[in-house]
Amino acid sequence: GAVVSQHPSRVICKSGTSVKIECRSLDFQATTMFWYRQFPKQSLMLMATSNEGSKATYEQGVEKDKFLINHASLTLSTLTVTSAHPEDSSFYICSARSLVDQPQHFGDGTRLSIL
Amino acid sequence: AQKVTQAQTEISVVEKEDVTLDCVYETRDTTYYLFWYKQPPSGELVFLIRRNSFDEQNEISGRYSWNFQKSTSSFNFTITASQVVDSAVYFCALSDRNYGQNFVFGPGTRLSVLP
Repeated sequence: GAVVSQHPSRVICKSGTSVKIECRSLDFQATTMFWYRQFPKQSLMLMATSNEGSKATYEQGVEKDKFLINHASLTLSTLTVTSAHPEDSSFYICSARSLVDQPQHFGDGTRLSIL
Repeated sequence: AQKVTQAQTEISVVEKEDVTLDCVYETRDTTYYLFWYKQPPSGELVFLIRRNSFDEQNEISGRYSWNFQKSTSSFNFTITASQVVDSAVYFCALSDRNYGQNFVFGPGTRLSVLP
């Protein structure tokens, strides 16, 4: 089945650091990738949608200058949390989809902890 | 707008009991998809089932069964003879015909199965 790899699985870093999370589709070409954020004991909330080669579309309330998304190839999207602060600590999950009528496949998530 | 409600925030059962997790959805689309995901403590999302709006047949997979009632906009999930390994957060989700766009997760139900 379709596999999406997310790296790293866990990051702990100091406040002010920028952190990059990678999301790779291993056995299919992902024309669209999605980034979700999940705070403790809450549901997953869509942050942004990115189509390969295009600028990401951010959901309301998500700062595009804070959460930089790059989807430069059909198998890789990155999310960079710039100048991270403790309130950015969360579980970030990506998903990827090949075609518009195909389901999303989720990565295993990245647990980000900012000290 | 699409919305998913999971009224049960937390459920605790004793091993071997049956348990039903409720899911009620709202959508104006005539074509849509419903999902259930399991999120164990490790964080990854485990896909359990996808059902399209035109297929109202109930489904059984081992100890899992799903009851789709379009008339009440519900897609309930039952675990028969629960096991400790079933302890997790379970999310019901709703997507429009384009899958990725408007993919909405419910708030989740935390299931604890006690030995």
